[in-house]
Amino acid sequence: GQQVMQIPQYQHVQEGEDFTTYCNSSTTLSNIQWYKQRPGGHPVFLIQLVKSGEVKKQKRLTFQFGEAKKNSSLHITATQTTDVGTYFCAGKSGGSSNTGKLIFGQGTTLQVKP
Amino acid sequence: KAGVTQTPRYLIKTRGQQVTLSCSPISGHRSVSWYQQTPGQGLQFLFEYFSETQRNKGNFPGRFSGRQFSNSRSEMNVSTLELGDSALYLCASSVSVGLFTEAFFGQGTRLTVV
Repeated sequence: GQQVMQIPQYQHVQEGEDFTTYCNSSTTLSNIQWYKQRPGGHPVFLIQLVKSGEVKKQKRLTFQFGEAKKNSSLHITATQTTDVGTYFCAGKSGGSSNTGKLIFGQGTTLQVKP
Repeated sequence: KAGVTQTPRYLIKTRGQQVTLSCSPISGHRSVSWYQQTPGQGLQFLFEYFSETQRNKGNFPGRFSGRQFSNSRSEMNVSTLELGDSALYLCASSVSVGLFTEAFFGQGTRLTVV
């Protein structure tokens, strides 16, 4: 079945350093979404990418969707302690664009040392 | 607008028992999906209900079942509980507009099987 792999599993950075997490799907995706889960919390939607090669920015966060629509990345510039949490990518396969089913990556847990 | 509400928040059951979890989606959302979150496996898709019909199903045994009512509220049932069923069970409601779908997660139900 469809799989979404995400690396790294954990990342410890010094405050002010950059951070990147990568997501790869075994199949072409109709879209990819990114969620953030704070410790003890629930996943919260960050963004959705739909177009091949799409790049979107939210303040210090930059999201990319690969040309083949099989990979994506999230880059955080100059991390802050408020960025702590687990970042998940979640994809929909090309045949399920109109359903609620999301296949999640395993997540990258970010720790930021002040 | 009220968010997704899951009850109960915490539950302790013994092996062999059964459990029912409840999810009230955001008003107007007809799609409700259930996910199991464990430290080792991340977020695993259980099933999705739309307009009282199961639209998608993940790779879980038949002990896991669900249903959706006419008001879009959903319940998930796990029978013959096993220790490995201990997890955070998350419910997400969504509404699709074209290719855009944002999943709104509830706080989850933390199930512990002893």
